[in-house]
Amino acid sequence: SAVISQKPSRDICQRGTSLTIQCQVDSQVTMMFWYRQQPGQSLTLIATANQGSEATYESGFVIDKFPISRPNLTFSTLTVSNMSPEDSSIYLCSVDLIVANYGYTFGSGTRLTVV
Amino acid sequence: QKEVEQDPGPLSVPEGAIVSLNCTYSNSAFQYFMWYRQYSRKGPELLMYTYSSGNKEDGRFTAQVDKSSKYISLFIRDSQPSDSATYLCAMAMDTGRRALTFGSGTRLQVQP
Repeated sequence: SAVISQKPSRDICQRGTSLTIQCQVDSQVTMMFWYRQQPGQSLTLIATANQGSEATYESGFVIDKFPISRPNLTFSTLTVSNMSPEDSSIYLCSVDLIVANYGYTFGSGTRLTVV
Repeated sequence: QKEVEQDPGPLSVPEGAIVSLNCTYSNSAFQYFMWYRQYSRKGPELLMYTYSSGNKEDGRFTAQVDKSSKYISLFIRDSQPSDSATYLCAMAMDTGRRALTFGSGTRLQVQP
């Protein structure tokens, strides 16, 4: 299955600032997904990133707050903009490996604390 | 009503017990079913992946999917303290972007 590298693994940020999270996959994938896991909660999909097109955002998430880039088939970034303490969460990227019969694989996540 | 329902637990069992974890769902279009294990402060780790109905076994783990009842299960045999974690079920459709919909997760504690 694919290996997903995500960085930073954790960060503590001041409110009002922005953080960009990187996700690198060791093989080419069509779809990459960004999820948020708030403390004690399950995973919620933020957006789907396809190479060469605009990301598709889920209800409650907007591009101004969570801009996403997908410059090629192995890389994506998620920016958390103008952060507030409510943005403190784990952010995870995932890739769809259904065609390869590997299900969906996740990176190890970015633990963000906003102070 | 949530698309995927999962008992949050916590579930506490003695070492060596058989553990049964379950999820129900409402969307009949789901075709891909997955179970993840998540240790504290770590990302989800894929345990089992099943397409459509049926059973799948991998070592001490068995996943079952009953699409007629919209019910999936994960069985853990001979449970170990190292199995103590949160278990998440997740599902996806076979069309479009195929994003995962997660259950809320069940916290499992295996007592030595």
